[in-house]
Amino acid sequence: AQSVTQLGSHVSVSEGALVLLRCNYSSSVPPYLFWYVQYPNQGLQLLLKYTSAATLVKGINGFEAEFKKSETSFHLTKPSAHMSDAAEYFCAVSDRGTSYDKVIFGPGTSLSVIP
Amino acid sequence: NAGVTQTPKFQVLKTGQSMTLQCAQDMNHEYMSWYRQDPGMGLRLIHYSVGAGITDQGEVPNGYNVSRSTTEDFPLRLLSAAPSQTSVYFCASSYKRIYGYTFGSGTRLTVV
Repeated sequence: AQSVTQLGSHVSVSEGALVLLRCNYSSSVPPYLFWYVQYPNQGLQLLLKYTSAATLVKGINGFEAEFKKSETSFHLTKPSAHMSDAAEYFCAVSDRGTSYDKVIFGPGTSLSVIP
Repeated sequence: NAGVTQTPKFQVLKTGQSMTLQCAQDMNHEYMSWYRQDPGMGLRLIHYSVGAGITDQGEVPNGYNVSRSTTEDFPLRLLSAAPSQTSVYFCASSYKRIYGYTFGSGTRLTVV
């Protein structure tokens, strides 16, 4: 069964520093991949998605992610952290070629930004 | 355009009671899903639907029931509430899965 792991349940960075949140998937066939953000007491919001041949994907709020098939990874980055980036981040995966639209989420990474 | 609407926002149930969590979307999305969110476990898929009349089980379906009689509505039924079902429940919808999901604001359920 498809699964996704996120290394590090909590990440702290200084304001202005690089943000790197890790995501790895288990499928041998590259799936559809997504990153979502959740602010306190809110629902999830789509940051970006990988669905095509473009391996570097740009999203909202200055985030981007690079798909690496050889590493089965889809890590999320942002060059310079802002205080407003403090939130929970979830990586999600959905198999290609299946008739049903099942999307599986990772356990999440909580990002703290230190002033 | 309301997006995905979940009701109620908060609910307290006694063990053994039943209830229905409502989810409605006004975007004509075919795909809808229910997730539960628990600390340290991310979101776990309960049930999902790829269109009216079509539903399937997710990762943690036991104790929950769904039906999809219209494109707009996808209610989640708790048959006999248990303390283990204390959680935050999210409904999500999408036109196609490659577009990503739009989430509701969640229902916080406590079973005592």
